[in-house]
Amino acid sequence: GQSLEQPSEVTAVEGAIVQINCTYQTSGFYGLSWYQQHDGGAPTFLSYNGLDGLEETGRFSSFLSRSDSYGYLLLQELQMKDSASYFCAVRGFNDYKLSFGAGTTVTVRA
Amino acid sequence: KAGVTQTPRYLIKTRGQQVTLSCSPISGHRSVSWYQQTPGQGLQFLFEYFSETQRNKGNFPGRFSGRQFSNSRSEMNVSTLELGDSALYLCASSLGGIDSTDTQYFGPGTRLTVL
Repeated sequence: GQSLEQPSEVTAVEGAIVQINCTYQTSGFYGLSWYQQHDGGAPTFLSYNGLDGLEETGRFSSFLSRSDSYGYLLLQELQMKDSASYFCAVRGFNDYKLSFGAGTTVTVRA
Repeated sequence: KAGVTQTPRYLIKTRGQQVTLSCSPISGHRSVSWYQQTPGQGLQFLFEYFSETQRNKGNFPGRFSGRQFSNSRSEMNVSTLELGDSALYLCASSLGGIDSTDTQYFGPGTRLTVL
């Protein structure tokens, strides 16, 4: 099975950079995904790392290191609208289930 | 293209009752997955249906069941409701291929409260 850990909360000011780490224990997975969920809203897909390394999408970047069982989501030039919960997720090779971490609540302050 | 829709959006039930939730996926999507979300627990996978067949199942008791129809619409049923079943139930649709990049598109969820 898969077990993913991420910090529960992060607070930062507008314009700052935030890194949300995701460490995992898994028997094998396809890749690491990140989803964003605003309060009262539906989760939406942010990014995917199938291979080790950095993927950049605008102000957001995501990184994966399979050898370290670790990934992160980097939020740059934080804006108030980035206040949300962020979930990492992996899909296992064997069971093909998508397993999510418990989520990190990011609060952006003025 | 219309997004994933879920009905009802809010539901209040009492212990012992049963409930049926509905999910209409994005047109062309053949996979529907269901998740339970509670504060601090993230999203817990319930099950996935693909082409009317349950393809995957999470670690929930048999009181939780589902089905998928030929038009890919899906329903989830919870029988003998317990207080702990109070949660946001999310469904997500995807193309459903055995593909590492099969992105999930989530609906707004059904907020179930069990009294």
